[in-house]
Amino acid sequence: GAGVSQTPSNKVTEKGKYVELRCDPISGHTALYWYRQSLGQGPEFLIYFQGTGAADDSGLPNDRFFAVRPEGSVSTLKIQRTERGDSAVYLCASSLDLRDTQYFGPGTRLTVL
Amino acid sequence: TQLLEQSPQFLSIQEGENLTVYCNSSSVFSSLQWYRQEPGEGPVLLVTVVTGGEVKKLKRLTFQFGDARKDSSLHITAAQPGDTGLYLCAGGRGADGLTFGKGTHLIIQP
Repeated sequence: GAGVSQTPSNKVTEKGKYVELRCDPISGHTALYWYRQSLGQGPEFLIYFQGTGAADDSGLPNDRFFAVRPEGSVSTLKIQRTERGDSAVYLCASSLDLRDTQYFGPGTRLTVL
Repeated sequence: TQLLEQSPQFLSIQEGENLTVYCNSSSVFSSLQWYRQEPGEGPVLLVTVVTGGEVKKLKRLTFQFGDARKDSSLHITAAQPGDTGLYLCAGGRGADGLTFGKGTHLIIQP
Protein backbone atom coordinates (compact mmCIF):
# COMPACT_ATOMS: atom_id res chain seq x y z
CA GLY A 1 0.00 0.00 0.00
CA ALA A 2 0.95 3.61 -0.38
CA GLY A 3 0.60 4.65 3.25
CA VAL A 4 1.51 3.51 6.72
CA SER A 5 -0.61 0.58 7.84
CA GLN A 6 -1.25 -0.64 11.36
CA THR A 7 -2.76 -3.85 12.60
CA PRO A 8 -5.00 -4.61 14.29
CA SER A 9 -7.20 -1.55 13.97
CA ASN A 10 -8.82 -2.41 17.30
CA LYS A 11 -7.61 -4.59 20.14
CA VAL A 12 -9.56 -5.40 23.28
CA THR A 13 -7.70 -7.24 26.01
CA GLU A 14 -7.95 -7.97 29.69
CA LYS A 15 -5.82 -6.42 32.39
CA GLY A 16 -2.58 -8.32 32.80
CA LYS A 17 -2.44 -9.70 29.27
CA TYR A 18 0.32 -9.23 26.69
CA VAL A 19 -0.34 -7.43 23.39
CA GLU A 20 1.57 -6.75 20.20
CA LEU A 21 0.79 -3.91 17.83
CA ARG A 22 2.21 -3.93 14.32
CA CYS A 23 3.26 -1.09 12.04
CA ASP A 24 4.13 -1.35 8.34
CA PRO A 25 5.85 1.86 7.27
CA ILE A 26 5.92 3.37 3.82
CA SER A 27 8.37 1.42 1.68
CA GLY A 28 11.82 2.97 1.74
CA HIS A 29 11.27 5.06 4.84
CA THR A 30 14.18 4.63 7.22
CA ALA A 31 12.72 6.39 10.26
CA LEU A 32 9.77 5.00 12.21
CA TYR A 33 8.00 6.56 15.19
CA TRP A 34 5.48 5.34 17.75
CA TYR A 35 3.09 7.70 19.53
CA ARG A 36 0.25 7.20 21.99
CA GLN A 37 -2.89 9.31 21.90
CA SER A 38 -5.21 9.26 24.87
CA LEU A 39 -8.79 10.48 24.62
CA GLY A 40 -8.93 14.24 24.20
CA GLN A 41 -5.16 14.61 23.98
CA GLY A 42 -2.59 15.11 21.27
CA PRO A 43 -0.22 12.29 20.34
CA GLU A 44 2.57 11.65 22.83
CA PHE A 45 5.95 10.49 21.55
CA LEU A 46 7.05 7.02 22.70
CA ILE A 47 10.02 5.83 20.65
CA TYR A 48 11.65 6.18 17.25
CA PHE A 49 13.87 4.01 15.12
CA GLN A 50 16.46 4.89 12.53
CA GLY A 51 16.90 1.68 10.63
CA THR A 52 16.87 -1.26 13.02
CA GLY A 53 18.02 0.55 16.13
CA ALA A 54 15.94 2.46 18.64
CA ALA A 55 17.47 5.92 18.46
CA ASP A 56 15.39 7.38 21.28
CA ASP A 57 13.10 5.42 23.60
CA SER A 58 12.79 8.13 26.23
CA GLY A 59 9.03 8.38 25.74
CA LEU A 60 8.25 4.81 26.74
CA PRO A 61 6.30 5.11 30.03
CA ASN A 62 7.87 2.13 31.78
CA ASP A 63 9.59 -1.21 31.21
CA ARG A 64 6.33 -2.94 30.31
CA PHE A 65 6.62 -1.26 26.93
CA PHE A 66 9.09 -2.46 24.32
CA ALA A 67 9.40 -2.03 20.56
CA VAL A 68 11.46 -3.75 17.88
CA ARG A 69 12.23 -3.27 14.23
CA PRO A 70 14.46 -6.24 13.43
CA GLU A 71 14.83 -5.75 9.68
CA GLY A 72 14.51 -2.00 9.48
CA SER A 73 11.00 -2.06 8.08
CA VAL A 74 8.05 -3.49 10.06
CA SER A 75 7.95 -2.58 13.74
CA THR A 76 6.12 -4.17 16.64
CA LEU A 77 5.18 -2.40 19.86
CA LYS A 78 4.89 -4.86 22.71
CA ILE A 79 3.09 -4.21 25.97
CA GLN A 80 3.38 -6.65 28.87
CA ARG A 81 1.00 -6.97 31.82
CA THR A 82 -1.40 -4.45 30.34
CA GLU A 83 -3.15 -2.00 32.65
CA ARG A 84 -6.38 -0.08 32.15
CA GLY A 85 -4.35 3.11 31.87
CA ASP A 86 -2.70 1.72 28.73
CA SER A 87 -5.99 2.16 26.87
CA ALA A 88 -5.36 4.62 24.03
CA VAL A 89 -4.83 4.89 20.30
CA TYR A 90 -1.31 3.87 19.36
CA LEU A 91 -0.10 5.70 16.27
CA CYS A 92 2.82 4.83 14.04
CA ALA A 93 4.50 7.24 11.65
CA SER A 94 7.33 6.90 9.18
CA SER A 95 9.56 9.34 7.35
CA LEU A 96 12.02 9.05 4.52
CA ASP A 97 14.82 10.02 6.86
CA LEU A 98 15.20 11.83 10.16
CA ARG A 99 13.81 15.37 10.12
CA ASP A 100 11.67 14.60 7.07
CA THR A 101 7.88 14.79 7.08
CA GLN A 102 6.25 12.11 9.22
CA TYR A 103 3.32 10.24 7.70
CA PHE A 104 0.93 8.66 10.17
CA GLY A 105 -0.99 5.43 10.06
CA PRO A 106 -4.63 5.16 11.19
CA GLY A 107 -3.64 3.85 14.60
CA THR A 108 -4.55 0.87 16.73
CA ARG A 109 -7.21 1.49 19.36
CA LEU A 110 -6.25 -0.53 22.44
CA THR A 111 -8.84 -1.10 25.14
CA VAL A 112 -7.78 -2.80 28.36
CA LEU A 113 -10.74 -4.08 30.38
CA THR B 1 9.92 19.38 28.92
CA GLN B 2 8.83 21.38 25.90
CA LEU B 3 5.11 22.01 25.94
CA LEU B 4 2.81 23.33 23.26
CA GLU B 5 -0.42 24.92 24.35
CA GLN B 6 -3.25 25.28 21.90
CA SER B 7 -6.23 27.58 22.16
CA PRO B 8 -9.10 27.45 22.03
CA GLN B 9 -9.58 23.82 22.96
CA PHE B 10 -13.03 23.74 21.36
CA LEU B 11 -14.54 26.01 18.72
CA SER B 12 -17.93 25.78 17.06
CA ILE B 13 -18.85 28.37 14.44
CA GLN B 14 -21.18 28.83 11.51
CA GLU B 15 -20.24 28.16 7.93
CA GLY B 16 -18.73 31.21 6.28
CA GLU B 17 -17.17 32.67 9.41
CA ASN B 18 -13.45 33.24 9.91
CA LEU B 19 -11.45 31.80 12.78
CA THR B 20 -7.96 31.70 14.23
CA VAL B 21 -6.43 29.05 16.46
CA TYR B 22 -3.19 29.47 18.35
CA CYS B 23 -0.24 27.36 19.36
CA ASN B 24 2.12 28.73 22.00
CA SER B 25 5.23 27.56 23.77
CA SER B 26 7.94 28.92 26.02
CA SER B 27 10.49 26.92 24.03
CA VAL B 28 12.02 27.46 20.62
CA PHE B 29 11.36 24.79 18.02
CA SER B 30 13.41 24.03 14.93
CA SER B 31 10.17 23.68 13.00
CA LEU B 32 6.47 23.68 13.67
CA GLN B 33 3.85 21.65 11.91
CA TRP B 34 0.08 21.74 11.72
CA TYR B 35 -1.90 18.54 11.34
CA ARG B 36 -5.58 17.81 10.90
CA GLN B 37 -7.02 14.61 12.36
CA GLU B 38 -10.42 13.07 11.74
CA PRO B 39 -12.03 10.41 13.96
CA GLY B 40 -10.49 6.98 13.49
CA GLU B 41 -7.61 8.27 11.43
CA GLY B 42 -4.06 9.39 12.02
CA PRO B 43 -3.01 13.03 11.78
CA VAL B 44 -2.48 14.39 8.26
CA LEU B 45 0.16 17.04 7.73
CA LEU B 46 -1.13 20.42 6.52
CA VAL B 47 2.02 22.53 6.61
CA THR B 48 5.52 22.85 8.04
CA VAL B 49 7.00 26.22 8.96
CA VAL B 50 10.68 26.57 9.75
CA THR B 51 11.62 30.24 9.54
CA GLY B 52 10.65 32.84 12.14
CA GLY B 53 7.98 35.14 10.72
CA GLU B 54 7.16 32.73 7.92
CA VAL B 55 3.64 32.81 6.47
CA LYS B 56 2.25 29.99 4.36
CA LYS B 57 -1.10 29.78 2.63
CA LEU B 58 -2.98 26.66 1.72
CA LYS B 59 -6.20 27.69 -0.06
CA ARG B 60 -8.34 29.23 2.72
CA LEU B 61 -5.84 28.36 5.45
CA THR B 62 -3.07 30.76 6.47
CA PHE B 63 -0.31 29.62 8.81
CA GLN B 64 2.13 31.91 10.56
CA PHE B 65 5.24 31.10 12.57
CA GLY B 66 6.21 33.60 15.24
CA ASP B 67 9.39 35.63 14.84
CA ALA B 68 10.97 33.87 17.83
CA ARG B 69 9.83 30.42 16.61
CA LYS B 70 7.89 29.81 19.81
CA ASP B 71 4.35 30.23 18.57
CA SER B 72 2.16 29.81 15.54
CA SER B 73 -1.34 30.54 14.35
CA LEU B 74 -3.74 29.01 11.88
CA HIS B 75 -6.36 31.25 10.30
CA ILE B 76 -9.25 29.85 8.29
CA THR B 77 -11.23 32.13 6.02
CA ALA B 78 -14.86 31.40 5.17
CA ALA B 79 -14.93 28.13 7.09
CA GLN B 80 -16.77 25.20 5.54
CA PRO B 81 -18.27 22.07 7.14
CA GLY B 82 -15.44 20.06 5.55
CA ASP B 83 -12.99 21.94 7.76
CA THR B 84 -14.41 20.18 10.82
CA GLY B 85 -11.78 18.19 12.66
CA LEU B 86 -9.05 18.19 15.29
CA TYR B 87 -6.24 20.59 14.47
CA LEU B 88 -2.91 19.74 16.08
CA CYS B 89 0.28 21.73 16.18
CA ALA B 90 3.53 19.88 16.67
CA GLY B 91 7.03 21.13 17.33
CA GLY B 92 10.08 19.52 15.83
CA ARG B 93 12.99 18.76 18.13
CA GLY B 94 15.53 18.08 15.45
CA ALA B 95 15.76 14.39 14.75
CA ASP B 96 13.55 13.34 17.62
CA GLY B 97 9.86 12.67 17.67
CA LEU B 98 7.39 15.51 17.53
CA THR B 99 5.94 17.29 20.54
CA PHE B 100 2.20 17.77 20.03
CA GLY B 101 -0.27 20.16 21.57
CA LYS B 102 -3.62 18.87 22.83
CA GLY B 103 -5.36 20.15 19.74
CA THR B 104 -8.30 22.37 18.84
CA HIS B 105 -11.58 20.61 18.17
CA LEU B 106 -13.22 22.61 15.38
CA ILE B 107 -16.85 22.21 14.35
CA ILE B 108 -18.25 24.13 11.39
CA GLN B 109 -22.01 24.11 11.39
CA PRO B 110 -23.82 24.38 8.05
